[in-house]
Amino acid sequence: NAGVTQTPKFQVLKTGQSMTLQCAQDMNHNSMYWYRQDPGMGLRLIYYSASEGTTDKGEVPNGYNVSRLNKREFSLRLESAAPSQTSVYFCASRPRGGPGELFFGEGSRLTVL
Amino acid sequence: AQSVTQPDIHITVSEGASLELRCNYSYGATPYLFWYVQSPGQGLQLLLKYFSGDTLVQGIKGFEAEFKRSQSSFNLRKPSVHWSDAAEYFCAVGAGGNQFYFGTGTSLTVIP
Repeated sequence: NAGVTQTPKFQVLKTGQSMTLQCAQDMNHNSMYWYRQDPGMGLRLIYYSASEGTTDKGEVPNGYNVSRLNKREFSLRLESAAPSQTSVYFCASRPRGGPGELFFGEGSRLTVL
Repeated sequence: AQSVTQPDIHITVSEGASLELRCNYSYGATPYLFWYVQSPGQGLQLLLKYFSGDTLVQGIKGFEAEFKRSQSSFNLRKPSVHWSDAAEYFCAVGAGGNQFYFGTGTSLTVIP
């Protein structure tokens, strides 16, 4: 039972390069999220998708784009990476509505030089 | 605005000692409350959650937490800490809809 799967787990980019972080969940969840985790700042929401076909900005969306490809997949794209985007990125999902908890992937560590 | 405060950035306890990690939140309505644990290099794992009902909730790995509405707190406790409990702990609030707010985390060190 895979849960939430993120790829890649590690990536090093140069400033200005682009890349896409992939996320897939096999729990038939409706909502999916992208967070970034930085030391001393906890988790900050970048974007989320309440259901297939919808996306909404979170707390720190600048410099990122997302695509909810289908119910299973939610990708995060950095069009022109900056050193400030060096972080650990987590994808999460949860069932539709109600008070259900978030289920997290194992994270993707991104370094921008 | 909603917020979650974990006042202790880092806590060190001896193995076998009791543990309490503090969490305070700011939210206008009854919140959904969560504690997650993160081991190094891993994702976040749910320890326990509170939605309604009994204000003392039990979780995995021997953890419990108590919701105190009057104090806007949801503190995590464990009577006897094991070395394997060393990790980062996050308190989170579900603010209705799809919004979740996380504290900045408390790092736990366990000394033999």
